Amino acid sequence: EAGVAQSPRYKIIEKRQSVAFWCNPISGHATLYWYQQILGQGPKLLIQFQNNGVVDDSQLPKDRFSAERLKGVDSTLKIQPAKLEDSAVYLCASSSLGGGYGYTFGSGTRLTVV
Amino acid sequence: DQQVKQNSPSLSVQEGRISILNCDYTNSMFDYFLWYKKYPAEGPTFLISISSIKDKNEDGRFTVFLNKSAKHLSLHIVPSQPGDSAVYFCAARPGGGADGLTFGKGTHLIIQP
Repeated sequence: EAGVAQSPRYKIIEKRQSVAFWCNPISGHATLYWYQQILGQGPKLLIQFQNNGVVDDSQLPKDRFSAERLKGVDSTLKIQPAKLEDSAVYLCASSSLGGGYGYTFGSGTRLTVV
Repeated sequence: DQQVKQNSPSLSVQEGRISILNCDYTNSMFDYFLWYKKYPAEGPTFLISISSIKDKNEDGRFTVFLNKSAKHLSLHIVPSQPGDSAVYFCAARPGGGADGLTFGKGTHLIIQP
């Protein structure tokens, strides 16, 4: 089966600009997650979708971050405006079962804010 | 407030010997624990997991041990192989409701020939 697809792989923007990341999960996977991984840290959950509904967005900085999964398939994560501290790898993951049972991660988008 | 802690940023082990990676957690609500392996420029890949009702789970060369009273788990790799060189993340999930994972900072395992 095809893996979790993410684009772009790399992005460099200036602070205060906006940026969007795209994720296409494994076909049939109802649950989709966005994680932020800052250098030297473990991934941190930003938002979890079940189909096209939000299950958990408690750690999403909602003043600048937004995410959607309109048709319950692919998803976009947007940052507007970006800050220097948003420099990180943004990882998308999907799962058919939920429960964190070994869900599949994409390769991530590396964002550098200068 | 780090709920999942991996206190060793790196670990060097000789090929063929045992690698032991450690993880501690503070949240008593965690009931499921996972280990992920990550190569550079790739996403984490699932390795092995354990439920809080068990104290050991084995899968080939990989064994995870859970000590609930000590809030400690460890991953044993025997024998260690060069391809095991990677960053290993410990992750945990609370029971019920949303199932996003809380990750540790990772341990960089280096297998030396």
